Amino acid sequence: DTAVSQTPKYLVTQMGNDKSIKCEQNLGHDTMYWYKQDSKKFLKIMFSYNNKELIINETVPNRFSPKSPDKAHLNLHINSLELGDSAVYFCASSQEHGGPLREQYFGPGTRLTVT
Amino acid sequence: RKEVEQDPGPFNVPEGATVAFNCTYSNSASQSFFWYRQDCRKEPKLLMSVYSSGNEDGRFTAQLNRASQYISLLIRDSKLSDSATYLCVVNPNAGNNRKLIWGLGTSLAVNP
Repeated sequence: DTAVSQTPKYLVTQMGNDKSIKCEQNLGHDTMYWYKQDSKKFLKIMFSYNNKELIINETVPNRFSPKSPDKAHLNLHINSLELGDSAVYFCASSQEHGGPLREQYFGPGTRLTVT
Repeated sequence: RKEVEQDPGPFNVPEGATVAFNCTYSNSASQSFFWYRQDCRKEPKLLMSVYSSGNEDGRFTAQLNRASQYISLLIRDSKLSDSATYLCVVNPNAGNNRKLIWGLGTSLAVNP
């Protein structure tokens, strides 16, 4: 039983294309996140949603648009892909209850390569 | 001072050794702390949560020193399978800024 799943696992595409990554969690969590991990291995938060409401929107180009159709899903759409977008994108989820931040559980990652 | 700072390593230790990593944090109001491990080309996986002074789980012990603002991870009787990058994560408790702060990780290689 996969707790946090992402599709696709690998994505190779050309500059200028538009692509989407999907994430689903079956943990019943109320908060979901998108992180980017670049070649230097730094894990940087991009967005977080709590009960479908956008909570965190870091300094991310507006070519990146998250969408949360329901609590269990958080998708990421990227327009006009650039070389610098190449990275591993991780989805994560946690149960916050509006209290202190708690443990986050990660999906397997989507390795995006822009050529 | 960086928000979360870790020695990147790598730490090379023989099997069976005891190894300790330190992680310092800048925000004294930080409430909770986590250690994650990340294997090469895999996702971070939760190893341990620390909400009070420390936590212990088998061979792994985390200790929190609030006065000096650091958290440590001790691994006893190292196994080859412990080879990974260990990420220190801090909840800074910074009002509405609800995001965890991630360290860059400490690389551990356990050798036969």
